[in-house]
Amino acid sequence: QSVLTQPPSVSGAPRQRVTISCSGSSSNIGNNAAIWYQHLPGEPPKLLIHYDELRPSGVSDRFSGSKSGTSASLAISGLQSEDEADYYCAAWDDSLNGWVFGGGTKLTVL
Amino acid sequence: QVQLVQSGNEVKKPGASVKVSCKTSGYTFTYYDINWVRQAPGQGLEWMGWMNPNTGNTGCAQKFQQGRLIMTRDTSINTAYMELSSLRSEDTAVYYCVRGRDYYNGMDVWGQGTTVTV
Repeated sequence: QSVLTQPPSVSGAPRQRVTISCSGSSSNIGNNAAIWYQHLPGEPPKLLIHYDELRPSGVSDRFSGSKSGTSASLAISGLQSEDEADYYCAAWDDSLNGWVFGGGTKLTVL
Repeated sequence: QVQLVQSGNEVKKPGASVKVSCKTSGYTFTYYDINWVRQAPGQGLEWMGWMNPNTGNTGCAQKFQQGRLIMTRDTSINTAYMELSSLRSEDTAVYYCVRGRDYYNGMDVWGQGTTVTV
């Protein structure tokens, strides 16, 4: 049972937009930044979004993050087949004194 | 560029220990924490612990607080180490070292991963 809650899977057709939710609490997302990672098979995870909504250099602007209260969301627009991956949210948890992850969401591009 | 290069895959018997190295380059080793994250087969990412390479201070997830996880470093060669003892089958996973920034910028650069099979 993960501290952060994500849907196990989402899907969308090419060029569509999908969102992935991440629900936490006041000790993690509610008080610290939401972070998002993309994990392609056979590769290490890649930082996609930090500080709730900021994209590191080199990350496509098709990826966007937002946060409201104790929940965060990742939106992917203009879906492409290369976006098929597992997506994880993460945040520092003040009560656990450590990083916590969501269970991961598998994105399928139909 | 910033790189974290981990040691090779390992196969261990139950009860043994494993030590994974993480050699860093492209930045000042002592300026950023090193975290360890693992992923068991078919499971999600699990944060294990962090180490401050400057001070050697560490912190870990509750399940590792019995002393099974030891994180160390050698600043002369910009390398961090993770040792996990009393291995059991549930420890079979890919282990990653990850450079940590702060609570807002998260863990940004990942090693390539080391598969440990128990």
